[in-house]
Amino acid sequence: DTAVSQTPKYLVTQMGNDKSIKCEQNLGHDTMYWYKQDSKKFLKIMFSYNNKELIINETVPNRFSPKSPDKAHLNLHINSLELGDSAVYFCASNDPQGPLHFGNGTRLTVT
Amino acid sequence: GQQVMQIPQYQHVQEGEDFTTYCNSSTTLSNIQWYKQRPGGHPVFLIQLVKSGEVKKQKRLTFQFGEAKKNSSLHITATQTTDVGTYFCAANQAGTALIFGKGTTLSVSS
Repeated sequence: DTAVSQTPKYLVTQMGNDKSIKCEQNLGHDTMYWYKQDSKKFLKIMFSYNNKELIINETVPNRFSPKSPDKAHLNLHINSLELGDSAVYFCASNDPQGPLHFGNGTRLTVT
Repeated sequence: GQQVMQIPQYQHVQEGEDFTTYCNSSTTLSNIQWYKQRPGGHPVFLIQLVKSGEVKKQKRLTFQFGEAKKNSSLHITATQTTDVGTYFCAANQAGTALIFGKGTTLSVSS
């Protein structure tokens, strides 16, 4: 009965590869997000989708492309991975102005 | 863009001591939320403050929202080892995503 689930939990890959992270929420929320947490624990918003439409697209390289096939899913595809992409990526969802519900995170390591 | 400043970045206390983390914004906030992230875990929502001057308590945790709605604090009384983690404040203005402070990482020694 996991509320926000993302896969995989760990992802180790080499520079230049392309990878995807999947996220699903069963809370009925209209809005979903991707946050990036760096080694200093700073949580930075990357993207926000509302009912499958892109709402927020912060200054993120074009190599990152979110896709929302329906309002319960928000996937993140990353092209040409770089060392600096190593981080923990969190998916989250909420109701308008409500608390965020986070997934367990995907720890991406680029070697 | 909107920024939320949070201090201190790190805090180490002896078990039983109190702990406070502070969050400040240069702009008026519509609300502020607090999250806790245990080591290796994900941020978990603790509380939301909406009203000017609001004070809320959860057991040993006391949350305050400033009168001008530009600052907030989280105070833990008599810390325990289970309080270890990183505490984040987060805020948004109307129509924006939650912006997180940089967090305060609390360590507690017994």
